[in-house]
Amino acid sequence: EPEVTQTPSHQVTQMGQEVILRCVPISNHLYFYWYRQILGQKVEFLVSFYNNEISEKSEIFDDQFSVERPDGSNFTLKIRSTKLEDSAMYFCASSVHLADKTYEQYFGPGTRLTVT
Amino acid sequence: GIQVEQSPPDLILQEGANSTLRCNFSDSVNNLQWFHQNPWGQLINLFYIPSGTKQNGRLSATTVATERYSLLYISSSQTTDSGVYFCAASYTGANSKLTFGKGITLSVRP
Repeated sequence: EPEVTQTPSHQVTQMGQEVILRCVPISNHLYFYWYRQILGQKVEFLVSFYNNEISEKSEIFDDQFSVERPDGSNFTLKIRSTKLEDSAMYFCASSVHLADKTYEQYFGPGTRLTVT
Repeated sequence: GIQVEQSPPDLILQEGANSTLRCNFSDSVNNLQWFHQNPWGQLINLFYIPSGTKQNGRLSATTVATERYSLLYISSSQTTDSGVYFCAASYTGANSKLTFGKGITLSVRP
């Protein structure tokens, strides 16, 4: 069964460093998402991406964040200068998009980012 | 935006018991999903259920879209069912971001 994959599973970085989190969505999906979950809290939406551009972004997704689909398979989230409060689990998700409707979102296993 | 509320926040069961987890949402939605977060933090898709009833083994879910709630039923609970259960709702198309509830922490005791 097709699945969303994410790398790395765990990333430790120092405050101020840049990190890139990588995702490979399911191959026939057209909508891509990033969510994050701070430890002990609920999952929060960061950004959605469709047709090579951002479809929607949350207040969390400020100028420190960017997303890219560099090729036909990868979808990346970059944090330019990490802060302690960026420590969280980051989930990538993808969904089918047909006739202006999006369907079930499939989540990857997550990347746990620890900023020290 | 959509508001999602889950109840109860915590649930403790004896192995073999049945349970009902509730999710209320504030608006007419096109997507309603239930997830189980395992001890490693992974979100496991349980149901995609914008309306109607579905069953998968000991788990079943019902969404009554007109009354803006969804229920997740767990029968004959096992210790491996322990974890956090999230429901999440969204519109479709350009507004398809999922809004998650705060989750229900289920503990099943042997």
